[in-house]
Amino acid sequence: AQTVTQSQPEMSVQEAETVTLSCTYDTSESNYYLFWYKQPPSRQMILVIRQEAYKQQNATENRFSVNFQKAAKSFSLKISDSQLGDTAMYFCAFMKPRSQGGSEKLVFGKGTKLTVNP
Amino acid sequence: NAGVTQTPKFQVLKTGQSMTLQCAQDMNHEYMSWYRQDPGMGLRLIHYSVGAGITDQGEVPNGYNVSRSTTEDFPLRLLSAAPSQTSVYFCASSYSGKFGQFFGPGTRLTVL
Repeated sequence: AQTVTQSQPEMSVQEAETVTLSCTYDTSESNYYLFWYKQPPSRQMILVIRQEAYKQQNATENRFSVNFQKAAKSFSLKISDSQLGDTAMYFCAFMKPRSQGGSEKLVFGKGTKLTVNP
Repeated sequence: NAGVTQTPKFQVLKTGQSMTLQCAQDMNHEYMSWYRQDPGMGLRLIHYSVGAGITDQGEVPNGYNVSRSTTEDFPLRLLSAAPSQTSVYFCASSYSGKFGQFFGPGTRLTVL
């Protein structure tokens, strides 16, 4: 079974600075998808960014980017120019697609609580 | 387009009571799922469905039932509520998993 580990339960950063959240996962699959979700105090789960394992290029969405190291099974999230609205829980998630015999279930890490300080 | 909707937003039950958490989506997504979120545990999959009439168990299915009679609706039934089922419940749906799942706003359930 796949597992996802987020080793930083809490982090803080000053507004406008850059922060990196860590995520490692364990799988024997060659093709899969990885996601970062954001959960602000409103409780809503928001998809931040996704990465397809067979693509070597790291995904980028505005101020959010990932460092995907397939061999190391690492998928870190970098937030540039941090804003107060980035304060939230961040969850890393793994998915094995149906094309690989999976059921498209999301396996989540336990989360990292990020606080952006003014 | 309402996306994924869940009702109720909050619920308090007594031990042994039963209830149904409602989930609906208007995006014509085939895949729907239920997760529970507990402090320090992340989200864990309870049940999921890959289409109308097809359901399967996730990581923590005990004490919960689901059915999928239509593409739009995926209710979660608690058969006999227990304090261990106190949690926040999320419903999610997707057209294709590679694009990620869309989540509803969640239901906070307390079992006394």
